[in-house]
Amino acid sequence: DVKVTQSSRYLVKRTGEKVFLECVQDMDHENMFWYRQDPGLGLRLIYFSYDVKMKEKGDIPEGYSVSREKKERFSLILESASTNQTSMYLCATLTLKGTDTQYFGPGTRLTVL
Amino acid sequence: AQRVTQPEKLLSVFKGAPVELKCNYSYSGSPELFWYVQYSRQRLQLLLRHISRESIKGFTADLNKGETSFHLKKPFAQEEDSAMYYCALADSNYQLIWGAGTKLIIKP
Repeated sequence: DVKVTQSSRYLVKRTGEKVFLECVQDMDHENMFWYRQDPGLGLRLIYFSYDVKMKEKGDIPEGYSVSREKKERFSLILESASTNQTSMYLCATLTLKGTDTQYFGPGTRLTVL
Repeated sequence: AQRVTQPEKLLSVFKGAPVELKCNYSYSGSPELFWYVQYSRQRLQLLLRHISRESIKGFTADLNKGETSFHLKKPFAQEEDSAMYYCALADSNYQLIWGAGTKLIIKP
């Protein structure tokens, strides 16, 4: 059974703080994704990675960066948090072997004050 | 442009009534479509995908290429079906293009 974990379920930060959101998967999946989920906007892709040290911008990369030093870990970084980054952040993994299905973590609810 | 549209932000039906969650897509290639569901306080999870042509929890979805639709249907809604439903399309790079989601509320 695929396990995708995210470091925090709830996080409260102040404007200007540097924020790290961590995602770890245990199934050796090649691809990992960071989304944010907002009411009425659905899921929007921030960044994704198809291999270690590789990253691609998604639809809304501004204000974010990512790091993938190891295959199992994909970090989302908010260099200087702003209130409009208050959202639910979802990590997902994908393997191209078999079902081509994305597996999601439980999400991190980030509030920036 | 590639796009997935879910025209209803909110859908409310009575228990036992039929449910149809609409999804329309715009894609130049051969689409691979999915429905994902998120129950309250739970993670997003796959409900069904069109290529497997399966029925999960009584839900079915048929791909209609002529109408570019992939509507999710259930003949008799149950209270536990209340959730957020997302339609998604996989492009040739296996990236998912998401609809905005429809909140389904089943009234007792």
